[in-house]
Amino acid sequence: AQTVTQSQPEMSVQEAETVTLSCTYDTSESDYYLFWYKQPPSRQMILVIRQEAYKQQNATENRFSVNFQKAAKSFSLKISDSQLGDAAMYFCAYKTSYDKVIFGPGTSLSVIP
Amino acid sequence: DAGVIQSPRHEVTEMGQEVTLRCKPISGHDYLFWYRQTMMRGLELLIYFNNNVPIDDSGMPEDRFSAKMPNASFSTLKIQPSEPRDSAVYFCASSGSRGGNQPQHFGDGTRLSIL
Repeated sequence: AQTVTQSQPEMSVQEAETVTLSCTYDTSESDYYLFWYKQPPSRQMILVIRQEAYKQQNATENRFSVNFQKAAKSFSLKISDSQLGDAAMYFCAYKTSYDKVIFGPGTSLSVIP
Repeated sequence: DAGVIQSPRHEVTEMGQEVTLRCKPISGHDYLFWYRQTMMRGLELLIYFNNNVPIDDSGMPEDRFSAKMPNASFSTLKIQPSEPRDSAVYFCASSGSRGGNQPQHFGDGTRLSIL
């Protein structure tokens, strides 16, 4: 069975600094998709970034980028120039084809002014 | 475009009462998911539908929980009878199937409190 692990329950970063959130997953599949979702205190689940496993190039969305290491089954999220609005719970998620998505337990990110 | 719409946003009711949560997925999406989120257990998938048909309900906690999707634009999650341990935030999400990288789009959730 596929599993998603986020080993950092809580992280903090100084405003304007860079932070990296870790995610590892376990799967025997070769074709799958990975996502990072953000959940601010408003409790909305917001898609931050996505990565296709067949793509070697790491995805980037403005200040957000990933480090995808397929062999290591690692999918970390880097947030550059952290802003107060980045404070939220971040969930790593795994999906094969059209199947259900498996979410990690989440990392709570605090941004210190 | 309208996102996933859930109602009500908040529900407070007494133990033993029936609770019905509602969801309208994004038009054109053929997958619909129900999740429950608690501090202790995180985000749990309860059930999901494809083309209105339940595909996997292994996450439904017990027989008190039931879900239906009578048409492509509406789904309900019902708890009868409700218990205090059912208190949680319930999310509905939908996604399309045109390519596996389609993410799930979430509603704003229903915060359920059972007294």
